[in-house]
Amino acid sequence: GAGVSQTPSNKVTEKGKYVELRCDPISGHTALYWYRQSLGQGPEFLIYFQGTGAADDSGLPNDRFFAVRPEGSVSTLKIQRTERGDSAVYLCASSFEGQGASAGGYTFGSGTRLTVV
Amino acid sequence: GQSLEQPSEVTAVEGAIVQINCTYQTSGFYGLSWYQQHDGGAPTFLSYNALDGLEETGRFSSFLSRSDSYGYLLLQELQMKDSASYFCAVRDDNYGQNFVFGPGTRLSVLP
Repeated sequence: GAGVSQTPSNKVTEKGKYVELRCDPISGHTALYWYRQSLGQGPEFLIYFQGTGAADDSGLPNDRFFAVRPEGSVSTLKIQRTERGDSAVYLCASSFEGQGASAGGYTFGSGTRLTVV
Repeated sequence: GQSLEQPSEVTAVEGAIVQINCTYQTSGFYGLSWYQQHDGGAPTFLSYNALDGLEETGRFSSFLSRSDSYGYLLLQELQMKDSASYFCAVRDDNYGQNFVFGPGTRLSVLP
């Protein structure tokens, strides 16, 4: 597509429930990133995919968080047993391989605002 | 640890010039990026500096001094639409692609 698409744009869930957040990157972008942004703060790295594999998942806060990208395109971020502290905007970004740092940088989606009540 | 510092808020008037500073302490350094984010919107890439010096792109310029662990974003001929949050971000790994973002500077442009 023309941009990075994230669905849903807003998600309200009860504490303890399971949620899935979807990211559809720009067509042809091999690298995909998930970040989390709390109010008034900068994005915080969660995980980076190169193709189908997670090249770096060092930012995932604990084992309740998991992400997949089975066909090297769409990615799903999965959060189990949600907690109120998980409330944030979850941002997805994509780039061509090796160009995440220079050239055009990342292209971010508008994010999914997750609220855990 | 990793830390980036930016002023939390900056205010300027239309037509003015404003400089947003960023200092960083990271385990490695391979480049400094700047992103713009309007309220409720996606961060948008502005610039990237891997080497010392000034990079100019239209009304925006970005500067880096690796010896001082310091960079800045310079916005000229400010317009109301420039009101947004601006984030510096450091690439701290030569092989990875993830960036460490600063806390952001909220720029308000007044008429």
